Amino acid sequence: SSELTQDPAVSVALGQTVRITCQGDSLRSYYASWYQQKPGQAPVLVIYGKNNRPSGIPDRFSGSSSGNTASLTITGAQAEDEADYYCNSRDSSGNHPLYVFGTGTKVTVL
Amino acid sequence: QVQLQESGPGLVKPSGTLSLTCAVSGGSISSSNWWSWVRQPPGKGLEWIGEIYHSGSTNYNPSLKSRVTISVDKSKNQFSLKLSSVTAADTAVYYCARNIADYDAFDIWGQGTMVTVSS
Repeated sequence: SSELTQDPAVSVALGQTVRITCQGDSLRSYYASWYQQKPGQAPVLVIYGKNNRPSGIPDRFSGSSSGNTASLTITGAQAEDEADYYCNSRDSSGNHPLYVFGTGTKVTVL
Repeated sequence: QVQLQESGPGLVKPSGTLSLTCAVSGGSISSSNWWSWVRQPPGKGLEWIGEIYHSGSTNYNPSLKSRVTISVDKSKNQFSLKLSSVTAADTAVYYCARNIADYDAFDIWGQGTMVTVSS
């Protein structure tokens, strides 16, 4: 099955822009979804499909994709955006469909 | 709105079977959604375990397939996870989640339940 690779950690100054990337072969066929997870909490979906935000997710979160790489961009990062972020996609490279998660990126807001 | 709540034993003995249930409230499990289990070992990332549709169709993570059974009980509006032959490596927070219809994403998550495998 495929793997999704993310940078372990990134930092961003308050109010600045940060891009988190996710690389994997499955992303050539499927869109990535993105999840924010704060300590002790369940993941929260922030981006899905081509670039869709669930209700309640601020528009500073956006998604994009090119080739085998998907990106989550936070434009004007806020202190409350400090969290772990995971990408996820469908994978059908094997005999049966499954989902794979990325390795996760810890975002620190300075 | 739809809410999910996991329940089950927090401690399972090695070689035993982990059993969890996810109760769906505020909506029907027979909607056009698949329903998944995801786990997260302490300090580590997320791992998809498997999914079920209300018809009973399932898909499992190949790495766990030989030990996993996911079932649905429409009368109780819930779905369940059984993981057999557990070891310490199965210690994790287990989440149930709803797959968005027509999209490959999970839009609603339970709060998660910690399961420890230990004698």
